This record gives sequence, C-alpha cells and structure tokens, in this order.
Amino acid sequence: GAVVSQHPSRVICKSGTSVKIECRSLDFQATTMFWYRQFPKQSLMLMATSNEGSKATYEQGVEKDKFLINHASLTLSTLTVTSAHPEDSSFYICSALRTPYEQYFGPGTRLTVT
Amino acid sequence: GENVEQHPSTLSVQEGDSAVIKCTYSDSASNYFPWYKQELGKGPQLIIDIRSNVGEKKDQRIAVTLNKTAKHFSLHITETQPEDSAVYFCAASPRDDMRFGAGTRLTVKP
Repeated sequence: GAVVSQHPSRVICKSGTSVKIECRSLDFQATTMFWYRQFPKQSLMLMATSNEGSKATYEQGVEKDKFLINHASLTLSTLTVTSAHPEDSSFYICSALRTPYEQYFGPGTRLTVT
Repeated sequence: GENVEQHPSTLSVQEGDSAVIKCTYSDSASNYFPWYKQELGKGPQLIIDIRSNVGEKKDQRIAVTLNKTAKHFSLHITETQPEDSAVYFCAASPRDDMRFGAGTRLTVKP
C-alpha cells in the first residue's frame, strides 16, 4: 500500500510555456500533499503544502503565481509551472500524507526548460 | 523552525560491513523521525521510521535509534549489500510538515 504516482515522469518544454504535473495517491486518500523541488546532489526543498479544498501554503521565497497548485480531490494534486524559464529546470517530487505523519513520495518529474 | 543536520555526507563501506548515519534536530516538538532511501532519478522511499515514544526500532537489516534528550537519531544498516547503495535522507517532523537532512550518499563496494 501507500503508492503515489506522478505524471509525467519527464517533460521538456520551451521557455515561456506552462507545464502541469499531476500527483496521485493510488491506494489511500490524502487531505494533504506536498510539493518539493530537488537540485542535483541536494536535499529536498519544500515548495508548498497542498490541502484538499483550500488554498496551498507556500514556503518563503516560492512564487505562488508561478507555481500554481490545485488539490481538487483527496487523491489528486497538480502543480503548474507557468511561464517556465530555464532556471525552473529541476526534479519536482510530490508526496502525500497518509497518516498525521507518514509521507509517501511519488517517483518525481524531471522538468527541462529549453 | 526545525533544522536537521546529517552526517556523514558520503559513506563508503565494503559489502557485509555495517553503515551508520547520524542526524541531529533542533525542535524539541519533533516527534516523528523517518528515513528515506533515494535511488538515482527516483523519488524517496520510506524505509523505516520511529516515533518519539520509542527508543529503537528494527526491521531486518535496518535499525533506527532515537535519543530525545540529546536530539539525535541514527540509521544502522547491517550486512550491507551493493543494492543498499543510494542516498539516504533523515527527517524530523514536529507536525505534518517535515524537514530533511542534507542526505548521505552510501556506496557499498562488492
């Protein structure tokens, strides 16, 4: 149990376009999901906390108008990178909270902006 | 906020030896301490966790110890195998938000 999927696994887009990444909890419901960004050989950096039915909470320094988060159901959260630029290229990982503490991570999405 | 420090940043062991990774945390309110294994190009996988009311937990070759007084916890892997090679992250959670250590790159040499 506790499987989280992400789609797509890899995406290449042109500068100025928008990209949507989906995160799904497949075998449990998640009121809360998290979005992280990871640079090569670095730790996970929390971008935002996504709560079903309410607005996401963004970490300091993360532009909420650039990284749009929607948590429309108990099994789906989406991250949209708007007007992407090369500096947005990164590994984006979501996680879903199964219990008050346990986070289960998706496989990640490699975004490359050309 | 919570600050988690993890050591060492890299660790190389011979197959069959033990590996130990240590973490310290700052927020005394933290009460949940998971460990994640991340392989290249993949998301982190929860391998073991411990709550603040427990001092030690073991699952086959993996064990975690927690010292709440000293605010540190450790991951112990015994009888290491090449497939244990990965990056390991510790984390501490005072609530439903979680803060991660910087990671330890473990290499098990056959």
